[in-house]
Amino acid sequence: DTGVSQNPRHKITKRGQNVTFRCDPISEHNRLYWYRQTLGQGPEFLTYFQNEAQLEKSRLLSDRFSAERPKGSFSTLEIQRTEQGDSAMYLCASSLDRGAAFLKEKLFFGSGTQLSVL
Amino acid sequence: DQQVKQNSPSLSVQEGRISILNCDYTNSMFDYFLWYKKYPAEGPTFLISISSIKDKNEDGRFTVFLNKSAKHLSLHIVPSQPGDSAVYFCAASAGAGGTSYGKLTFGQGTILTVHP
Repeated sequence: DTGVSQNPRHKITKRGQNVTFRCDPISEHNRLYWYRQTLGQGPEFLTYFQNEAQLEKSRLLSDRFSAERPKGSFSTLEIQRTEQGDSAMYLCASSLDRGAAFLKEKLFFGSGTQLSVL
Repeated sequence: DQQVKQNSPSLSVQEGRISILNCDYTNSMFDYFLWYKKYPAEGPTFLISISSIKDKNEDGRFTVFLNKSAKHLSLHIVPSQPGDSAVYFCAASAGAGGTSYGKLTFGQGTILTVHP
């Protein structure tokens, strides 16, 4: 168990460019989450997947953002036409949903990708 | 609309003493509450949780108290150790409402510093 892995750790881009981040969850985990954290704030929920299905998206996720989880394994988060306001830490988390609501899942977070848009 | 608030940006405590971190929430649909700890350059790490049907949960040096009527929870660390120095986030979930318990609403965080 190597934990949740995110790449790259840092990304610097110019405004208007597209960027893509990758997340590799803990292998047996069927749920994968994306969060965003800006300076001085807590993480904010963006979206989550159950296996390969994207089940929920926050209104924070504008149409410039797209997330995928092909084959229910790793996930990618792409931001098109980046803006300076997209500068943030993008966190991925995974969990094991065992199908019973009372077995509340526990999220395991990766170390994040720090995006800076110049 | 900040549904989970941590009003103390920072807390400084002497080693061996009690650390008390506070959190307030506004959404009555929240039924599960958690505390996460975060070190620099790392992702948040789960610390302890409590369901809304309980008012206290204890795990070693960490105890979380929930006061539903006041919509308030607190984390007690006794005794505090220098290794506890980190940012602590309070988080809440409304999983019983049909969404995932992994969809968390976080507070802004409190920086805890424990002095030797």
